[in-house]
Amino acid sequence: QKEVEQNSGPLSVPEGAIASLNCTYSDRVSQSFFWYRQYSGKSPELIMSIYSNGDKEDGRFTAQLNKASQYVSLLIRDSQPSDSATYLCAVNGASGTYKYIFGTGTRLKVLA
Amino acid sequence: GAGVSQSPSNKVTEKGKDVELRCDPISGHTALYWYRQSLGQGLEFLIYFQGNSAPDKSGLPSDRFSAERTGGSVSTLTIQRTQQEDSAVYLCASSSPGLGETQYFGPGTRLLVL
Repeated sequence: QKEVEQNSGPLSVPEGAIASLNCTYSDRVSQSFFWYRQYSGKSPELIMSIYSNGDKEDGRFTAQLNKASQYVSLLIRDSQPSDSATYLCAVNGASGTYKYIFGTGTRLKVLA
Repeated sequence: GAGVSQSPSNKVTEKGKDVELRCDPISGHTALYWYRQSLGQGLEFLIYFQGNSAPDKSGLPSDRFSAERTGGSVSTLTIQRTQQEDSAVYLCASSSPGLGETQYFGPGTRLLVL
C-alpha cells in the first residue's frame, strides 16, 4: 500500500461545477496535510493546508480532513478552466518525521 | 531572495557525465528537500536536510546520487555517471522548521541525459 494514494484521473468536470479530489494516507500519526496545485511544466504551489478534523474553507476551496478514516479531500466550487491542473496531496509528520510524502496527483480538467 | 532559486534551469548532458544541480532556499528556512519528477509522474522524495542534523538520504535511488548542504543554506545535488533514466525535473523545496510548515518549491532543473 502506498503511503499517500490519489486517483490519477483525469477528473473532468464542467465549468461551474464542484470538483471533488480525494486522498488517503496510511500512517495514522500523520499530523499535517496539504494540497498543492501543479500546472503543466510548473512547480507545485500550495493551495490549502489543514491540521485538524473538519472543514477548512478558503475562497472557492474547501479542505476536509477525517483522521479516523485517514482521508483528506479538496473541494473546488464554481470550477473554472484555469483550475485545470494536477492536484497533489501531501502528508507531513508521518512516523514522527518532518518528511513530506506526496501522492502521485490527480489531474483535473475543467471543461468550458 | 524572495523565493527558492535553482540553477541551471535546464541541463543537457551525455550519458556517463557528472552533473551538479544547485538550490538556494528561502532565507531563514532550515529545512531543504530535493525531489525528482519524471514526465507525468508524481514527486519522488530524494533527500531532506534539517538544520545541522544528519540528512535523511532514504530516497536517493543509487550511490551515484549525493547531496550536500553547506553552511545550512545552499545545497548541491550531484549525479555521477548519469544514465538516461536520470532524465527528469529535479525540484528543490524549503520550509521553516517544525511540523506543518509550508514547503515552497523552486522552479526546478530540467535534466536531459542523451
